[in-house]
Amino acid sequence: SYELTQPPSVSVSPGQTASITCSGHKLGDKYVCWYQQKPGQSPVLVIYQDSERPSGIPERFSGSNSGNTATLTISGTQAMDEADYYCQAWDRSTNVFGTGTKVTVL
Amino acid sequence: QVQLVESGGGLVKPGGSLRLSCEASGLSFSDYYMSWIRQAPGKGLEWVSYVSSSGTSIYYADSVKGRFTISRDNAKNSLYLQMNSLRAEDTAVYYCASLAYYGSGSYGVDHWGQGILVTVSS
Repeated sequence: SYELTQPPSVSVSPGQTASITCSGHKLGDKYVCWYQQKPGQSPVLVIYQDSERPSGIPERFSGSNSGNTATLTISGTQAMDEADYYCQAWDRSTNVFGTGTKVTVL
Repeated sequence: QVQLVESGGGLVKPGGSLRLSCEASGLSFSDYYMSWIRQAPGKGLEWVSYVSSSGTSIYYADSVKGRFTISRDNAKNSLYLQMNSLRAEDTAVYYCASLAYYGSGSYGVDHWGQGILVTVSS
């Protein structure tokens, strides 16, 4: 079965850039979504179709996808961005989530 | 404003059954693929099942295949998950979710419910 691997944790200082990777076989051939989940809340879509932002998502969130790796970048990270982040892709009619990354804003 | 409201969760013994419901509003329900996604305590997201807009295409994760049944009633704007032969490892928050089509056979979750807890324990 298809797997998406993320680093368990990423730490970033306020105002700096956080990069979260998502690795999977030929992931660049698929569309990737990214979700943000804060404690006790439902996930929220922050990036779809590799790099598109839904309405209401700040411009500091951006995404890219090439080769075997997709990346979510948070520029000018704020304390409110501290959360778990999950990538997601579709593989042969099945939905696959990444292992998740906890972003800590120090 | 889209709302997905789950109900039917609770405590059930191993081997027991439970039926989850999800009532949708604020979207053209019959146009959407719908899905159930779960999250075990302290763990990541796990896709459980999804159903096409007409209900004719259905897929399940291997972990629930043969035990869970997804269905929908477009006249009632409702999604269901019948869960049988429940195991301790099915303990999780279950989310109802609508899927948006992004092209190239790819979907993503554009709306999530608030989630409902299912606990399987003796």
